[in-house]
Amino acid sequence: LAKTTQPISMDSYEGQEVNITCSHNNIATNDYITWYQQFPSQGPRFIIQGYKTKVTNEVASLFIPADRKSSTLSLPRVSLSDTAVYYCLARTGNQFYFGTGTSLTVIP
Amino acid sequence: EAQVTQNPRYLITVTGKKLTVTCSQNMNHEYMSWYRQDPGLGLRQIYYSMNVEVTDKGDVPEGYKVSRKEKRNFPLILESPSPNQTSLYFCASSSRTSGWDEQFFGPGTRLTVL
Repeated sequence: LAKTTQPISMDSYEGQEVNITCSHNNIATNDYITWYQQFPSQGPRFIIQGYKTKVTNEVASLFIPADRKSSTLSLPRVSLSDTAVYYCLARTGNQFYFGTGTSLTVIP
Repeated sequence: EAQVTQNPRYLITVTGKKLTVTCSQNMNHEYMSWYRQDPGLGLRQIYYSMNVEVTDKGDVPEGYKVSRKEKRNFPLILESPSPNQTSLYFCASSSRTSGWDEQFFGPGTRLTVL
């Protein structure tokens, strides 16, 4: 079963760029790497997905090295509203593993 | 509005009293799944379903049952709830066309078993 490893928590000041790295050693060669965001008392929300190199959308960027054993979610110029838990997702077949996530706190 | 709904949102019950948490999605998604979320343990998958009448165990299926008789509904059944099933439960769905990994989550059901 594919597993993920992320830092438990991170703090950042408003306006800074935040990078959260996830290790996923057992990810299958044809699986995407997916990140979610969760606010308190809400369900997780899809942020971004990629297969290799770099993907960017209006919310974040995702960097994936060639060996695909890790990925880095980059949040540009965070604000207080980015305080949340961020999960990278691993999949084995049709089963999903979210792990414990990274709790990001943005400080004014 | 495309959404996943869960009912009830909050439930307090006693050990051994059977309960069902309903989940419904209006996006015609093939894939549906149940997760539980506990402090320090993150989100763990309980059961999932690839389509009608197809269900399979996730990481923590003990003490739970599911059924998928219709595409839109995926109820979670606790036949004899115990206090260790006190948790926050999420239902999610996704489709083949948008990619299985892009799951849409419901608002959650907070269950307390006394």
